[in-house]
Amino acid sequence: DVQMTQSPSSLSAAVGDRVTITCQASHDISNYLNWYQQKPGTPPKLLIYGASNLETGVPSRFSGTRSGTDFTFTISSLQPEDVATYYCQQYDNIPPLTFGAGTKVEIK
Amino acid sequence: EVQLVESGGGLVRPGGSLRLSCSASGFNFNGYTANWVRQGPGKGLEWVASDVGSSGQYILYADSVRGRFTVSRDKDENVVYLQMNSLRPDDTGVYYCVGDGGSGWYRLLWGLGTLVTVSS
Repeated sequence: DVQMTQSPSSLSAAVGDRVTITCQASHDISNYLNWYQQKPGTPPKLLIYGASNLETGVPSRFSGTRSGTDFTFTISSLQPEDVATYYCQQYDNIPPLTFGAGTKVEIK
Repeated sequence: EVQLVESGGGLVRPGGSLRLSCSASGFNFNGYTANWVRQGPGKGLEWVASDVGSSGQYILYADSVRGRFTVSRDKDENVVYLQMNSLRPDDTGVYYCVGDGGSGWYRLLWGLGTLVTVSS
């Protein structure tokens, strides 16, 4: 099974700051990586698919890149409504569905 | 509308049983993999089990639930079940039904989840 190592587990940043989250896959998953945002009491919401493609309707301050088995998710200018937990998820070889451990983003 | 709706959650004593249902509407769920993903209080997303539909007929379980949980489908009713036996406190959480189209298919269809609480 593919393992996803996500970091950091939490971060605190000011409004307007640039925020970066990383995920490393245990082996090559090509671009088959999603990024989700989850707010309390709701299922995850897809933000980025194919490592770097913005889901329809998602603000352009969210972006994703890939370098080999390393994936980076960026919020270019943190907004109060971005407070949430973010997860990566691979879909190169499923099942099982494998997720990163999550990153909780808070406002400083 | 294409959606998945879970039901059957509730409070159960340790060692007890519960059956969750996932009803699909707006599409034929039989052609897709049905997954159960859970989330403990304040914890991350944990895959529980998958029933690979369509031509790939097989079922997988996480080590933590194998031998205690069973996935099944009612293909006529477009419903997937998760039978949970010998429940433990660490099985507590929100259980999501998640549909997928297989490897390489990026879009997952999530239900809203149903809460299972295992406590004496």
